[in-house]
Amino acid sequence: DTGVSQNPRHKITKRGQNVTFRCDPISEHNRLYWYRQTLGQGPEFLTYFQNEAQLEKSRLLSDRFSAERPKGSFSTLEIQRTEQGDSAMYLCASSLMTAKEQFFGPGTRLTVL
Amino acid sequence: GEDVEQSLFLSVREGDSSVINCTYTDSSSTYLYWYKQEPGAGLQLLTYIFSNMDMKQDQRLTVLLNKKDKHLSLRIADTQTGDSAIYFCAESMRMDSSYKLIFGSGTRLLVRP
Repeated sequence: DTGVSQNPRHKITKRGQNVTFRCDPISEHNRLYWYRQTLGQGPEFLTYFQNEAQLEKSRLLSDRFSAERPKGSFSTLEIQRTEQGDSAMYLCASSLMTAKEQFFGPGTRLTVL
Repeated sequence: GEDVEQSLFLSVREGDSSVINCTYTDSSSTYLYWYKQEPGAGLQLLTYIFSNMDMKQDQRLTVLLNKKDKHLSLRIADTQTGDSAIYFCAESMRMDSSYKLIFGSGTRLLVRP
């Protein structure tokens, strides 16, 4: 297994459009996390899944954002009616239930024009 | 509160040691982490330390933890040009069934030949 993968790597969209990102965690990792990183800052936690259950959501996750992990494997993050302030790197991480390490993917860089 | 602070920039000569410092606020953090991010890439986990330890060494990396002062440092021995990157300190914050990571803004390390 080569690690956490994310697609697409880059996305450019116009304001008001919807976008969807995908994350494939390391196989057998039952925990999956989404973070957002804006320029010059560290990542900020958005949401967390244990298997298919979404157990925690940050206040940063407005109602335009929705995340799913329907079969407990890959996850999608959708942003509806994108705004310029949504421009950021969206990072996915995964971990085993018993582990303290979170392993990050390469991220999806979103640019909203 | 949640706040992790790091100095913004560090420049060292190749072969010297680098020391990157971090302060955190949550005294209940069980684990503290160091991640490395190269341009356009995701985060690579370098090492982490359990809060009841005061030092951890892993090859060229030494982590020192002063829990009383909530101060964490990362020492890189024999720094190489390939170590040039942004280094993030993170504290763990307990959620119901897992941890989320609270990151600092990162320290940009520049290694001069």
